[in-house]
Amino acid sequence: SAVISQKPSRDICQRGTSLTIQCQVDSQVTMMFWYRQQPGQSLTLIATANQGSEATYESGFVIDKFPISRPNLTFSTLTVSNMSPEDSSIYLCSVEDDRGRAYEQYFGPGTRLTVT
Amino acid sequence: KQEVTQIPAALSVPEGENLVLNCSFTDSAIYNLQWFRQDPGKGLTSLLLIQSSQREQTSGRLNASLDKSSGRSTLYIAASQPGDSATYLCAVSEAGGTSYGKLTFGQGTILTVHP
Repeated sequence: SAVISQKPSRDICQRGTSLTIQCQVDSQVTMMFWYRQQPGQSLTLIATANQGSEATYESGFVIDKFPISRPNLTFSTLTVSNMSPEDSSIYLCSVEDDRGRAYEQYFGPGTRLTVT
Repeated sequence: KQEVTQIPAALSVPEGENLVLNCSFTDSAIYNLQWFRQDPGKGLTSLLLIQSSQREQTSGRLNASLDKSSGRSTLYIAASQPGDSATYLCAVSEAGGTSYGKLTFGQGTILTVHP
């Protein structure tokens, strides 16, 4: 299974500022995913990041608000821009193991963001 | 649009009980189904994955079944322990896409096992 780390683990930010979250994987993966978990809610997919191409965003999420970089096969960043209190959530990255046919998903520990 | 529902929303049991968590999904065109565990303030730990062609998977005290045609899955936990206390999430992935990592999650079942 893949080992995934995220930085920072948590942060408290002021409204109007931006935060960049890093996701590092211990092996090369094709697809990386960014999810948001709002307080008391389940996970919602923000976007899919494929190395070498633009990220694909889900309905309700836009690149200007959540720009994503994917410079290589082991790293990705998600920026939460012009933050408001509604952006307070846990942000998680995940990868899929595509070596077999199962495509099992593995998640990082998450970044807990509080916007004041 | 795929929708995933988990029942019950919360469950409290005494240690040693066997228990069943339920998951249902509206679109049977899934590639696989995964059960995850989430401890408070933490990320997700994958427990079991069932591919759409499979009926069940087992790992230790956990057994997950899948009835794709009826859109249902169950997670059976045998001889529950206080360390099993966590939120259990069910998620399904789309079939036929370019990536199977687009998961749709249920709301989760909060499990408390008391000594």
